[in-house]
Amino acid sequence: GAVVSQHPSRVICKSGTSVKIECRSLDFQATTMFWYRQFPKQSLMLMATSNEGSKATYEQGVEKDKFLINHASLTLSTLTVTSAHPEDSSFYICSAEPAPGTQGTDTQYFGPGTRLTVL
Amino acid sequence: AQTVTQSQPEMSVQEAETVTLSCTYDTSENNYYLFWYKQPPSRQMILVIRQEAYKQQNATENRFSVNFQKAAKSFSLKISDSQLGDTAMYFCAFITSGTYKYIFGTGTRLKVLA
Repeated sequence: GAVVSQHPSRVICKSGTSVKIECRSLDFQATTMFWYRQFPKQSLMLMATSNEGSKATYEQGVEKDKFLINHASLTLSTLTVTSAHPEDSSFYICSAEPAPGTQGTDTQYFGPGTRLTVL
Repeated sequence: AQTVTQSQPEMSVQEAETVTLSCTYDTSENNYYLFWYKQPPSRQMILVIRQEAYKQQNATENRFSVNFQKAAKSFSLKISDSQLGDTAMYFCAFITSGTYKYIFGTGTRLKVLA
C-alpha cells in the first residue's frame, strides 16, 4: 500500500520549453502533496506544498510563476516547469500524505523522482 | 528553529553485522513524528521506520529498530544483520503534528561490504 507514481522518470528538453511532471497516489487519497528538488549528494529541498482544490504554498525563494503546481484531484498533482533553463536541471521528487483520519496520515510517501535535463 | 542533525556523512559495515546511524533533532514542540527514510541508488525514497513522539516504546520493523531518547532528542537507527541491499543514503526526518512540513537531516551514506 501507499504507492506514489511519478511520470516521466526522465525528461530532456530544450531551453525555453515547458515541462510537466505528474505525481499520482495510486492506492490512497492525498489531500496534500509535496514537491521537492534534490541536488546531487544533498538532502531534499521542499519547493512547495500542494493542497487539493486550493493554491499551492511555495517555500521562500521558489518562483511560483516558474514552477506551476496544480492539485486538481485527491490523487493527482502536477508540477510544470515553465520556460526551463539549464539551471533548472535537477532531480524532482513528489510525495503524498494520506488524508486525515486514514492510516498513514502525518507520513509522506514518495514518488520515484523525475530527472530533468535542460539543454 | 527546528533542525535535524546527522553527524555521520558516511559509514560502512560488513554484511551480516550491525550498524547504528545517529540522528539528533531540536524542537520545542511536544507532539511530533520521527522517520527514517532510505534512498538507494535508484533514488526512490523508501520509508524505513516511523516513531510517534508520544510513544515510549521504540519502533521496530524487522531488521530495523530505533533508539528514541526524547529527553536527549536523539533518534538513532539500528540495522541488524546488514544486507547488501541496505546500501543507500539514509535520511532522518521529523514533522510537528499538524504542520505537514518535514525537516530533513543531511543524510548518512551507508555502504554494506561483502
